[in-house]
Amino acid sequence: DIQMTQSPSTLSASVGDRVTITCRASQNIITWLAWFQQKPGKAPKLLIYKASSLESGVPSRFSGSGSGTEFTLTISSLQPDDFATYYCQQYNSYSPPFTFGPGTKVDIK
Amino acid sequence: QVTLKESGPVLVKPTETLTLTCTVSGFSLSNVGMGVSWIRQPPGKALEWLGHIFSNDEKVYRTSLKSSLTISKDTSKSQVVLTMTNMDPVDSATYFCARIRVNMMVEAFDIWGQGTMVTVSS
Repeated sequence: DIQMTQSPSTLSASVGDRVTITCRASQNIITWLAWFQQKPGKAPKLLIYKASSLESGVPSRFSGSGSGTEFTLTISSLQPDDFATYYCQQYNSYSPPFTFGPGTKVDIK
Repeated sequence: QVTLKESGPVLVKPTETLTLTCTVSGFSLSNVGMGVSWIRQPPGKALEWLGHIFSNDEKVYRTSLKSSLTISKDTSKSQVVLTMTNMDPVDSATYFCARIRVNMMVEAFDIWGQGTMVTVSS
């Protein structure tokens, strides 16, 4: 199975900060990677798919990049609504299971 | 508006069978560009993909759960059903269903249900 790791596990930041989260896959997943935002007690929300495609309705301050085994999610200017946990997920159809990363919690500095 | 909603028991006993239903609206389970996946999340832990079903009834399961997990659909009722046998306390989690967008291959898990918490305890 493909393993996913994320760093950091926790990130303390202030409103207006530029935030970057890294996700690494144990094998080449090309660009079959998604990013989700989850708030306590809520379902995950899709932010980015195919590594860099912004889901409709998601603010443009979110962006994704990368290919192969290393990927990043960037929030260009952190807003109060962005304090949450972020998960990456690989979904290469040739390599199930569609594993999620362990998550990165973004909290208030 | 696309919505998914999970329903089922809140509490099951060890060794029992869990049956959860995901009722969808705003799209058809026969749409070739769509599928439905099940994902779970134990309290305080990460998300775990369980499996999914496509419009052509093709199913893909997490290998470690293949012997205990079944996903089926009733297109006329707009429902996807998850059945998991021999439940164990480690299976206690919030269970989510999510729509999958398909464009030749899986493109995105774009819309999620609110989730339903299941506790396995005697």
